[in-house]
Amino acid sequence: SQQGEEDPQALSIQEGENATMNCSYKTSINNLQWYRQNSGRGLVHLILIRSNEREKHSGRLRVTLDTSKKSSSLLITASRAADTASYFCATDAIGAAGNKLTFGGGTRVLVKP
Amino acid sequence: KAGVTQTPRYLIKTRGQQVTLSCSPISGHRSVSWYQQTPGQGLQFLFEYFSETQRNKGNFPGRFSGRQFSNSRSEMNVSTLELGDSALYLCASSLGGAYNEQFFGPGTRLTVL
Repeated sequence: SQQGEEDPQALSIQEGENATMNCSYKTSINNLQWYRQNSGRGLVHLILIRSNEREKHSGRLRVTLDTSKKSSSLLITASRAADTASYFCATDAIGAAGNKLTFGGGTRVLVKP
Repeated sequence: KAGVTQTPRYLIKTRGQQVTLSCSPISGHRSVSWYQQTPGQGLQFLFEYFSETQRNKGNFPGRFSGRQFSNSRSEMNVSTLELGDSALYLCASSLGGAYNEQFFGPGTRLTVL
């Protein structure tokens, strides 16, 4: 079963526009991570935000985390055609032994040139 | 550092056969996790190994098994293959702590006929 739900399921934007996607999860977490996947390939780690952090930036990426609402958002600014991919949030639950990421269903992003 | 490697990249098997997939983690990483990705179920956690011990397990039948060797390389085995086992199998390695990002390999695409 999936921990999180991602919204929207798909997003189509023009190059240069911003893309925002949201993730909701169900249980208390240690941290939340965002990954990108290009067309059936392996996942690329984008950013990790700890449960005691509210916002984090990395280049054109901005992630927010609201643990009271059990939700996170990923903003990609000034999008490029190369940002076309599926984006997944992943959480690991407090109390779980070791690494066990639970992924959301993903948001498919299409950036049109 | 070399990334996570998975072999083989593609595999075609028939129902009832068994298959072994291999994963070599990033040097120094002691945690290896396996995930199954299908269009219907998304990304699902199979199991995680840390220092040759299974530390966590997902909700998969006993036909799915794995192991880790002393050099941290890991294998997963699926016996008595079913059509529904067709999927992309992803391996991820990390240092093993609670706040560590996971580095994914390119995956093995398994097709069961």
